[in-house]
Amino acid sequence: AQKVTQAQTEISVVEKEDVTLDCVYETRDTTYYLFWYKQPPSGELVFLIRRNSFDEQNEISGRYSWNFQKSTSSFNFTITASQVVDSAVYFCALSEVNTGNQFYFGTGTSLTVIP
Amino acid sequence: DSGVTQTPKHLITATGQRVTLRCSPRSGDLSVYWYQQSLDQGLQFLIQYYNGEERAKGNILERFSAQQFPDLHSELNLSSLELGDSALYFCASSGTGVLRFTDTQYFGPGTRLTVL
Repeated sequence: AQKVTQAQTEISVVEKEDVTLDCVYETRDTTYYLFWYKQPPSGELVFLIRRNSFDEQNEISGRYSWNFQKSTSSFNFTITASQVVDSAVYFCALSEVNTGNQFYFGTGTSLTVIP
Repeated sequence: DSGVTQTPKHLITATGQRVTLRCSPRSGDLSVYWYQQSLDQGLQFLIQYYNGEERAKGNILERFSAQQFPDLHSELNLSSLELGDSALYFCASSGTGVLRFTDTQYFGPGTRLTVL
């Protein structure tokens, strides 16, 4: 079974629109970490955020914000006032303490921001 | 720039051949991870090394092997290559990777392997 589900395969928005990328995870561990990575067209994977299972506080970084809800096993990512440079594939990942540092990645959401 | 380097950037080879991909972790990082990204399989964890020793294995084929050297750089060896091995291979590194402590993994730019 998939440990991380990103149900949205592709999303297109017009520049300046807000967009939310969904991530649902599955784990039996009480201690785990969640991550978001961005993969722009150039191909590299860029780390965006890490959140541990004991910290449900939402986080905002500029136009980016993350909503972590343990009750629904979700860790959603919102881009406010999207820009063309936000066009990329975004991956959500889960790491469980009991399996060491192995990352389980979702299948990614391809975001296209149309100018 | 993550600080993780990978060479070569691109590799084109023929079926049945053997190639070696190289990775240098960020300064101070002890753990190295290898991932394969293909269109049909997504991002798959292959193997992890911590301070020279194999720590965890994922979906790594028997035709593939890896090692981490005393200077902490790592090599991924792919042999008897098949068309289906064409993919983007990423290396990532993290500080400790010790069980029960999870570090952020920082990824290199990847090596794009094309098997013809």
